[in-house]
Amino acid sequence: GDSVTQMEGPVTLSEEAFLTINCTYTATGYPSLFWYVQYPGEGLQLLLKATKADDKGSNKGFEATYRKETTSFHLEKGSVQVSDSAVYFCALPSGGSNYKLTFGKGTLLTVNP
Amino acid sequence: ETGVTQTPRHLVMGMTNKKSLKCEQHLGHNAMYWYKQSAKKPLELMFVYNFKEQTENNSVPSRFSPECPNSSHLFLHLHTLQPEDSALYLCASSQAIAGMVASDTQYFGPGTRLTVL
Repeated sequence: GDSVTQMEGPVTLSEEAFLTINCTYTATGYPSLFWYVQYPGEGLQLLLKATKADDKGSNKGFEATYRKETTSFHLEKGSVQVSDSAVYFCALPSGGSNYKLTFGKGTLLTVNP
Repeated sequence: ETGVTQTPRHLVMGMTNKKSLKCEQHLGHNAMYWYKQSAKKPLELMFVYNFKEQTENNSVPSRFSPECPNSSHLFLHLHTLQPEDSALYLCASSQAIAGMVASDTQYFGPGTRLTVL
């Protein structure tokens, strides 16, 4: 079935460091791909999405490019801030339905001042 | 209120209690979801409602009973829970079209932190 695999955390960085969180997927066809973020004590928020191959999703300085040749959707940010500390989830629709999302296990990011 | 709201935000209950979690979405969506988020486990989809009809039940124990009276409200009724049911319960909503799917972006509420003693 459709699935995502994202790098295990936790990831600890200093402020202004470069961030990469890897995500690879297995899917039938070319589904939309998502990154969600969960800040401490909150629910998940959509961070960015890409709907087709070679699309780049971006938001709040984060970017991810939909690469079908490597089946990847890695999350990047050039300069992280303390406020980026959160858990990041890669996700894709699954089960042949666009309304059912499958999430990765999540990657905890801690950014120190 | 905007977005997706959940009440209560925190709940402590004994194994013999009956309680309910409430979710309300103010986005005009017609699909709603319950997820369970436990420590060190992937997010688990529990139930899906599409136009008030349940379209997914992921083998959830009967001690969890969902109710969707209209497209804006979703409840999760709890009874005789076990300590392992302690988790963050998240509600989400999305736009869908009857008989087919449309937008696949889900919008989440802040969750209810449930502790079963």
